[in-house]
Amino acid sequence: EIVLTQSPTTTAASPGEKVTITCLASSSVSNMYWYQQKSGASPKLLIYSTSSLASGVPDRFSGSGSGTSYSLTINTMEAEDAATYYCQQWSSNPPTFGAGTKLELK
Amino acid sequence: EIQLQESGPGLVKPSQSLSLTCSVTGYTITSGYDWSWIRKFPGNKMEWMGYISYSGSTNYNPSLKSRISITRDTSKNQFFLQLNSVTTEDTATYYCASLTSGYWGQGVMVTVSS
Repeated sequence: EIVLTQSPTTTAASPGEKVTITCLASSSVSNMYWYQQKSGASPKLLIYSTSSLASGVPDRFSGSGSGTSYSLTINTMEAEDAATYYCQQWSSNPPTFGAGTKLELK
Repeated sequence: EIQLQESGPGLVKPSQSLSLTCSVTGYTITSGYDWSWIRKFPGNKMEWMGYISYSGSTNYNPSLKSRISITRDTSKNQFFLQLNSVTTEDTATYYCASLTSGYWGQGVMVTVSS
Protein backbone atom coordinates (compact mmCIF):
# COMPACT_ATOMS: atom_id res chain seq x y z
CA GLU A 1 0.00 0.00 0.00
CA ILE A 2 1.04 3.61 -0.50
CA VAL A 3 2.39 5.29 2.60
CA LEU A 4 1.73 9.00 2.99
CA THR A 5 4.22 10.95 5.10
CA GLN A 6 3.07 14.33 6.35
CA SER A 7 5.26 17.14 7.63
CA PRO A 8 5.44 18.79 9.95
CA THR A 9 3.83 16.63 12.61
CA THR A 10 2.86 19.71 14.58
CA THR A 11 3.15 23.40 13.89
CA ALA A 12 1.85 26.71 15.17
CA ALA A 13 0.98 29.88 13.29
CA SER A 14 -0.07 33.40 14.20
CA PRO A 15 -3.19 34.98 12.69
CA GLY A 16 -2.42 36.19 9.18
CA GLU A 17 0.55 33.87 8.77
CA LYS A 18 0.92 31.51 5.82
CA VAL A 19 0.94 27.78 6.58
CA THR A 20 2.09 24.95 4.32
CA ILE A 21 1.66 21.25 5.07
CA THR A 22 3.41 18.68 2.92
CA CYS A 23 2.40 15.12 2.07
CA LEU A 24 4.91 12.79 0.44
CA ALA A 25 3.71 9.53 -1.12
CA SER A 26 5.80 6.36 -1.22
CA SER A 27 4.74 5.90 -4.86
CA SER A 28 3.29 8.24 -7.43
CA VAL A 29 -0.40 9.08 -7.02
CA SER A 30 -2.63 10.95 -9.43
CA ASN A 31 -4.65 12.90 -6.90
CA MET A 32 -4.64 13.94 -3.27
CA TYR A 33 -7.42 14.78 -0.85
CA TRP A 34 -7.10 16.93 2.27
CA TYR A 35 -9.27 16.86 5.39
CA GLN A 36 -9.55 19.07 8.44
CA GLN A 37 -10.55 17.52 11.75
CA LYS A 38 -11.35 19.45 14.90
CA SER A 39 -11.57 17.84 18.29
CA GLY A 40 -14.76 15.84 18.74
CA ALA A 41 -15.84 16.31 15.12
CA SER A 42 -15.64 14.14 12.01
CA PRO A 43 -13.14 14.92 9.23
CA LYS A 44 -14.24 17.66 6.86
CA LEU A 45 -13.21 17.50 3.21
CA LEU A 46 -11.23 20.60 2.24
CA ILE A 47 -9.56 19.74 -1.06
CA TYR A 48 -10.32 17.05 -3.63
CA SER A 49 -8.54 16.10 -6.83
CA THR A 50 -5.36 17.77 -5.52
CA SER A 51 -6.46 21.39 -5.95
CA SER A 52 -10.26 21.64 -6.06
CA LEU A 53 -11.91 23.40 -3.14
CA ALA A 54 -14.78 21.51 -1.53
CA SER A 55 -18.09 23.29 -1.18
CA GLY A 56 -18.14 25.97 1.51
CA VAL A 57 -14.38 25.90 2.14
CA PRO A 58 -12.81 29.38 2.38
CA ASP A 59 -10.55 30.29 -0.50
CA ARG A 60 -7.60 30.89 1.83
CA PHE A 61 -7.15 27.11 1.55
CA SER A 62 -5.44 25.72 -1.55
CA GLY A 63 -3.86 22.48 -2.65
CA SER A 64 -1.16 21.64 -5.17
CA GLY A 65 1.24 18.95 -6.18
CA SER A 66 1.84 15.99 -8.42
CA GLY A 67 3.51 12.61 -8.45
CA THR A 68 4.79 11.93 -4.96
CA SER A 69 4.71 15.44 -3.49
CA TYR A 70 1.59 17.37 -2.48
CA SER A 71 0.88 20.32 -0.26
CA LEU A 72 -1.95 22.11 1.49
CA THR A 73 -1.57 25.86 2.00
CA ILE A 74 -3.51 28.18 4.25
CA ASN A 75 -2.80 31.62 2.84
CA THR A 76 -3.66 33.58 5.98
CA MET A 77 -4.08 31.69 9.24
CA GLU A 78 -7.27 32.30 11.18
CA ALA A 79 -8.09 31.12 14.71
CA GLU A 80 -10.74 28.73 13.41
CA ASP A 81 -8.11 26.91 11.33
CA ALA A 82 -6.53 25.35 14.41
CA ALA A 83 -7.12 21.64 13.80
CA THR A 84 -5.49 18.44 12.60
CA TYR A 85 -5.07 18.05 8.84
CA TYR A 86 -4.85 14.77 6.95
CA CYS A 87 -3.91 13.93 3.38
CA GLN A 88 -5.51 10.91 1.70
CA GLN A 89 -4.99 9.08 -1.59
CA TRP A 90 -7.16 6.68 -3.53
CA SER A 91 -5.05 6.31 -6.68
CA SER A 92 -4.00 2.91 -5.41
CA ASN A 93 -6.00 0.40 -3.43
CA PRO A 94 -6.37 0.52 -0.46
CA PRO A 95 -6.99 4.21 0.18
CA THR A 96 -4.52 5.47 2.75
CA PHE A 97 -4.20 8.48 5.02
CA GLY A 98 -1.28 10.47 6.29
CA ALA A 99 -0.59 10.50 10.02
CA GLY A 100 -1.90 14.02 10.40
CA THR A 101 -0.48 17.49 11.05
CA LYS A 102 -1.65 19.31 14.14
CA LEU A 103 -1.91 23.04 13.53
CA GLU A 104 -2.11 25.25 16.59
CA LEU A 105 -2.77 28.94 16.97
CA LYS A 106 0.25 30.87 18.17
CA GLU B 1 -28.17 17.29 2.26
CA ILE B 2 -26.59 13.89 2.74
CA GLN B 3 -26.30 12.84 6.37
CA LEU B 4 -24.73 9.69 7.79
CA GLN B 5 -25.21 8.40 11.33
CA GLU B 6 -23.38 5.49 12.94
CA SER B 7 -24.93 3.36 15.65
CA GLY B 8 -23.91 0.31 17.60
CA PRO B 9 -22.47 -0.88 20.89
CA GLY B 10 -19.66 1.12 22.42
CA LEU B 11 -18.12 -1.86 24.18
CA VAL B 12 -17.24 -5.24 22.68
CA LYS B 13 -15.48 -8.15 24.35
CA PRO B 14 -12.29 -9.59 22.87
CA SER B 15 -12.86 -12.44 20.38
CA GLN B 16 -16.43 -11.29 19.74
CA SER B 17 -17.79 -9.51 16.66
CA LEU B 18 -18.15 -5.76 16.30
CA SER B 19 -21.33 -4.72 14.45
CA LEU B 20 -22.17 -1.18 13.43
CA THR B 21 -24.93 0.40 11.37
CA CYS B 22 -24.73 3.49 9.18
CA SER B 23 -28.05 5.15 8.42
CA VAL B 24 -28.02 7.46 5.41
CA THR B 25 -30.54 10.24 4.84
CA GLY B 26 -30.80 12.73 2.01
CA TYR B 27 -29.51 10.29 -0.61
CA THR B 28 -30.31 6.76 -1.73
CA ILE B 29 -27.29 4.51 -1.34
CA THR B 30 -28.16 2.65 -4.55
CA SER B 31 -28.04 5.88 -6.58
CA GLY B 32 -24.29 6.35 -6.54
CA TYR B 33 -21.06 6.65 -4.55
CA ASP B 34 -19.10 4.12 -2.54
CA TRP B 35 -20.03 3.76 1.11
CA SER B 36 -17.04 3.25 3.36
CA TRP B 37 -16.10 2.40 6.90
CA ILE B 38 -13.03 4.18 8.26
CA ARG B 39 -11.58 4.07 11.73
CA LYS B 40 -9.35 6.36 13.74
CA PHE B 41 -7.19 4.79 16.40
CA PRO B 42 -6.07 6.43 19.64
CA GLY B 43 -3.00 8.36 18.54
CA ASN B 44 -4.79 9.60 15.41
CA LYS B 45 -3.89 6.97 12.79
CA MET B 46 -6.71 6.63 10.24
CA GLU B 47 -7.47 3.37 8.44
CA TRP B 48 -9.87 2.79 5.56
CA MET B 49 -11.57 -0.53 6.23
CA GLY B 50 -13.66 -1.11 3.12
CA TYR B 51 -16.67 -0.04 1.14
CA ILE B 52 -19.86 -1.27 -0.43
CA SER B 53 -20.61 0.38 -3.74
CA TYR B 54 -23.95 1.69 -4.92
CA SER B 55 -24.25 -1.49 -7.00
CA GLY B 56 -23.57 -3.72 -4.02
CA SER B 57 -20.02 -4.80 -4.76
CA THR B 58 -17.52 -4.70 -1.92
CA ASN B 59 -13.86 -3.83 -1.56
CA TYR B 60 -11.95 -4.49 1.63
CA ASN B 61 -8.60 -3.45 3.01
CA PRO B 62 -6.34 -6.49 2.59
CA SER B 63 -5.20 -6.06 6.20
CA LEU B 64 -8.75 -6.90 7.33
CA LYS B 65 -9.96 -9.14 4.54
CA SER B 66 -10.36 -12.27 6.64
CA ARG B 67 -12.33 -10.51 9.40
CA ILE B 68 -14.51 -7.90 7.72
CA SER B 69 -17.89 -7.89 6.06
CA ILE B 70 -19.83 -4.90 4.77
CA THR B 71 -23.46 -5.41 3.80
CA ARG B 72 -26.51 -3.23 3.24
CA ASP B 73 -30.28 -3.05 3.58
CA THR B 74 -31.51 -0.97 0.67
CA SER B 75 -35.07 -0.86 2.04
CA LYS B 76 -33.78 1.01 5.10
CA ASN B 77 -31.02 2.91 3.25
CA GLN B 78 -28.47 1.51 5.67
CA PHE B 79 -25.15 -0.24 5.41
CA PHE B 80 -23.40 -2.31 8.01
CA LEU B 81 -19.96 -3.25 9.30
CA GLN B 82 -19.13 -6.57 10.88
CA LEU B 83 -15.61 -7.13 12.18
CA ASN B 84 -14.95 -10.57 13.61
CA SER B 85 -12.53 -11.80 16.25
CA VAL B 86 -11.81 -8.36 17.65
CA THR B 87 -8.89 -7.60 19.93
CA THR B 88 -7.97 -4.56 21.97
CA GLU B 89 -6.14 -3.34 18.86
CA ASP B 90 -9.56 -2.73 17.27
CA THR B 91 -10.40 -0.04 19.83
CA ALA B 92 -11.06 3.07 17.74
CA THR B 93 -13.58 5.63 16.62
CA TYR B 94 -15.47 4.18 13.67
CA TYR B 95 -16.83 6.41 10.92
CA CYS B 96 -19.07 5.69 7.99
CA ALA B 97 -18.45 7.94 5.03
CA SER B 98 -18.77 8.47 1.34
CA LEU B 99 -15.21 9.39 0.43
CA THR B 100 -16.19 10.23 -3.14
CA SER B 101 -18.76 12.79 -1.98
CA GLY B 102 -16.96 13.98 1.15
CA TYR B 103 -19.75 13.18 3.59
CA TRP B 104 -18.91 11.57 6.94
CA GLY B 105 -20.88 10.47 9.96
CA GLN B 106 -20.05 11.86 13.38
CA GLY B 107 -18.30 8.65 14.43
CA VAL B 108 -18.86 6.14 17.20
CA MET B 109 -16.25 5.19 19.76
CA VAL B 110 -15.85 1.43 20.17
CA THR B 111 -13.77 -0.03 22.98
CA VAL B 112 -12.70 -3.67 22.96
CA SER B 113 -12.28 -4.81 26.53
CA SER B 114 -13.27 -7.66 28.79
